[in-house]
Amino acid sequence: QKEVEQDPGPLSVPEGAIVSLNCTYSNSAFQYFMWYRQYSRKGPELLMYTYSSGNKEDGRFTAQVDKSSKYISLFIRDSQPSDSATYLCAMSSYSGAGSYQLTFGKGTKLSVIP
Amino acid sequence: SQTIHQWPATLVQPVGSPLSLECTVEGTSNPNLYWYRQAAGRGLQLLFYSVGIGQISSEVPQNLSASRPQDRQFILSSKKLLLSDSGFYLCAWNGQHSTDTQYFGPGTRLTVL
Repeated sequence: QKEVEQDPGPLSVPEGAIVSLNCTYSNSAFQYFMWYRQYSRKGPELLMYTYSSGNKEDGRFTAQVDKSSKYISLFIRDSQPSDSATYLCAMSSYSGAGSYQLTFGKGTKLSVIP
Repeated sequence: SQTIHQWPATLVQPVGSPLSLECTVEGTSNPNLYWYRQAAGRGLQLLFYSVGIGQISSEVPQNLSASRPQDRQFILSSKKLLLSDSGFYLCAWNGQHSTDTQYFGPGTRLTVL
């Protein structure tokens, strides 16, 4: 079983729709949870960062963590064509030698159609 | 503010040729530094990380090596490239605090022919 599972999509939605992106994980040692957005041929950009169960909101984006179910979600409200990108979930755990390493999902490719 | 640079942005190299990719970070000191490779359909694969000058940890045995000659410089190298080395190479950094997440550079797209 892979440590982090993420549906690769692709996911296509009309402009203005609510988008739900999800990841499941198996490693209870994961402490911090992140969502990155990656535009084509660019480096990933940090979008949301949480460390506890519950919701965190930032503008049109809401990150949700359920540690008991080992499930995280990213919601995008009023989706825009500029939201079209690949979204990567990532989870952090201590790897020793002073370093916290990230384990990534494979990413979900989202297209928002005008 | 912190900035991370990578160069070159794109590279096309023949099989068997050497490789040197460079990453530098500005605006911070003593960062943790990381090299990832992103191949189509395979997600982000951690190759190397470094917690200080001259300290390199390898995650995947392969044709590549890394060095950290200066605090904010991280270099990815190969003596002889393979076709399977093609991919998108990303450098990332974070601070020493346990809650610091990673920030990525713009990446280098390597094609080995």
